[in-house]
Amino acid sequence: NAGVTQTPKFRVLKTGQSMTLLCAQDMNHEYMYWYRQDPGMGLRLIHYSVGEGTTAKGEVPDGYNVSRLKKQNFLLGLESAAPSQTSVYFCASSFPGRAYEQYFGPGTRLTVT
Amino acid sequence: GEDVEQSLFLSVREGDSSVINCTYTDSSSTYLYWYKQEPGAGLQLLTYIFSNMDMKQDQRLTVLLNKKDKHLSLRIADTQTGDSAIYFCAERKEGGGNKLTFGTGTQLKVEL
Repeated sequence: NAGVTQTPKFRVLKTGQSMTLLCAQDMNHEYMYWYRQDPGMGLRLIHYSVGEGTTAKGEVPDGYNVSRLKKQNFLLGLESAAPSQTSVYFCASSFPGRAYEQYFGPGTRLTVT
Repeated sequence: GEDVEQSLFLSVREGDSSVINCTYTDSSSTYLYWYKQEPGAGLQLLTYIFSNMDMKQDQRLTVLLNKKDKHLSLRIADTQTGDSAIYFCAERKEGGGNKLTFGTGTQLKVEL
């Protein structure tokens, strides 16, 4: 099992460019999440999904869109990147049971210049 | 407030015990978690505690929960250089999606 994988690992964008981050999980988890991590601020939830075809806003959703067309994939889109979106982005997945623990991907480091 | 609070840094000597503290916000949180993040990597779940417990031990790790004060701590016995990392506490709140609220993280540095 690969667990949770993220593509790409690094990316540099110019202000106004768009991109999509891909998250994939092979654990058949129902729930998936996108977080951003900024120094001194911990992880903040951007969007999440409780199942295929569903998405919901998290704590900091502005400037991002998401889609969950397949259960194993969760895409995060930036339509018009801004320097404030420079961050490390983490995807996670969980199963609605047991201790609800979330499993994390290795992260994508995004720089917007 | 909405913040889960942790101190930013902790430095210990190899072989000593480390205690990382966290204050959470929601007395109705059902699960509380400790995650470890090594440099350049994602978060790895270390341990968790259910809210009806006040202590959980797992090898070198001991979690203490004080629900009255909404205080959570992680003790690492016999701290090793490989324990150097950022440690995050997180609380699971009731409501849809199993959402977690994370603390700011504590950077643990283990010195020889």
